Amino acid sequence: DAGVIQSPRHEVTEMGQEVTLRCKPISGHDYLFWYRQTMMRGLELLIYFNNNVPIDDSGMPEDRFSAKMPNASFSTLKIQPSEPRDSAVYFCASSTQGRTEAFFGQGTRLTVV
Amino acid sequence: GESVGLHLPTLSVQEGDNSIINCAYSNSASDYFIWYKQESGKGPQFIIDIRSNMDKRQGQRVTVLLNKTVKHLSLQIAATQPGDSAVYFCAEVAAGNKLTFGGGTRVLVKP
Repeated sequence: DAGVIQSPRHEVTEMGQEVTLRCKPISGHDYLFWYRQTMMRGLELLIYFNNNVPIDDSGMPEDRFSAKMPNASFSTLKIQPSEPRDSAVYFCASSTQGRTEAFFGQGTRLTVV
Repeated sequence: GESVGLHLPTLSVQEGDNSIINCAYSNSASDYFIWYKQESGKGPQFIIDIRSNMDKRQGQRVTVLLNKTVKHLSLQIAATQPGDSAVYFCAEVAAGNKLTFGGGTRVLVKP
């Protein structure tokens, strides 16, 4: 398995634009997590899914952020409109029921100018 | 690399010495406590976990200690190597498989 795959690796966008981050979890994993990593706040859990259903989105900063998981092999995190303070590295991770180990993607470095 | 310029506590250790990384947690209801390692340009990588009803668990060159009385978790790395240089995060798994991270510690191994 190629592991968790995130795209793009780097994204530079202008303030006000829509940004979509993508994630392909490991096949067979039934949990998917989205995290944001910043200097000030460390690794924050934004939202996580179980069997494609959002379980906890209490970490989503505001209504500008939304996440979907239309099927077991794909998830998106969308920011609309983007703001400079959204600049961060966004990680996706997946895991499976009964296992504590979560596998992380390489992350997407987002820069909003 | 990925570096987000994290301002983290730093542990400098001589190659071959043992390292001890500490973490305080807040959620007494967590089922598991976990240590992750993050190298520059990469996502966090699982090292070892410990169930909440245990106080010690050993892996290869690593030992995790859990003190529930004071809500403290530690990771001990034996014979620290240059490849151990990274940022280390403690994490908790709560009900529903919810995985949350605590603060990190940067470990720098001096040759």
